[in-house]
Amino acid sequence: EAQLVQSGAGVKKPGATVRMSCKVSGKNFSDHYIHWVRQAPGKGLEWMGLVDPADGEAIHAEGFQGSVTISAEKSTDTVYMEMSSLRFEDTAVYYCATGGVSGGVVHPFDVWGQGTMLSVSS
Amino acid sequence: DIQLTQSPSSLSASVGDRVTITCRASLGISNDLAWYQQTSGKAPKLLIYAASTLHSGVPSRFSGSGSGTDFTLTISSLQPEDVATYYCQKYDSALALTFGGGTKVEIK
Repeated sequence: EAQLVQSGAGVKKPGATVRMSCKVSGKNFSDHYIHWVRQAPGKGLEWMGLVDPADGEAIHAEGFQGSVTISAEKSTDTVYMEMSSLRFEDTAVYYCATGGVSGGVVHPFDVWGQGTMLSVSS
Repeated sequence: DIQLTQSPSSLSASVGDRVTITCRASLGISNDLAWYQQTSGKAPKLLIYAASTLHSGVPSRFSGSGSGTDFTLTISSLQPEDVATYYCQKYDSALALTFGGGTKVEIK
């Protein structure tokens, strides 16, 4: 059974950088896009971007370009999401998620990580 | 960018009621539309994809319909365990996957 296990985040100060990880198991790592989704407290879901682990190519959503870097490490079947210049508004739960075999096509997200909470506080 | 607008933003219904949630896209998105259920404090769960295909293990009281710009999620007989927030999502383009704003469903 496919599983995404997340780690990282915690409490960070404004202006800091945070890196979160998402370890993939039960799926062929290179076959599935891995996405990141953010959810601020009491708010809805916001897609941040994706990475294709096959070649490391990432697409970042318009609102996150320049502040977020999504990457993949084949040797450990792990995807990373790094956010820089943190602001109070980045306080949120961050999820990684994946869907069917990519093959150049985006699929809905049938497997989600457990989520990891980031609090930005001075 | 294509926007997804869900309505209503919240609703309260009785157990056994038929519940309908609408998701309207600002431009046509074919049928690359999914619905998710998120219960408090948990990660979302996929309910429906391709606008009307029930994901494995999802109760048959959930159904989806629509195409183009107008989509609907229906719960045929609301159960207590259906209390959750429901989101639609378009996934037709890797450049911009978008979620609707969510609909919170409560029991009256």
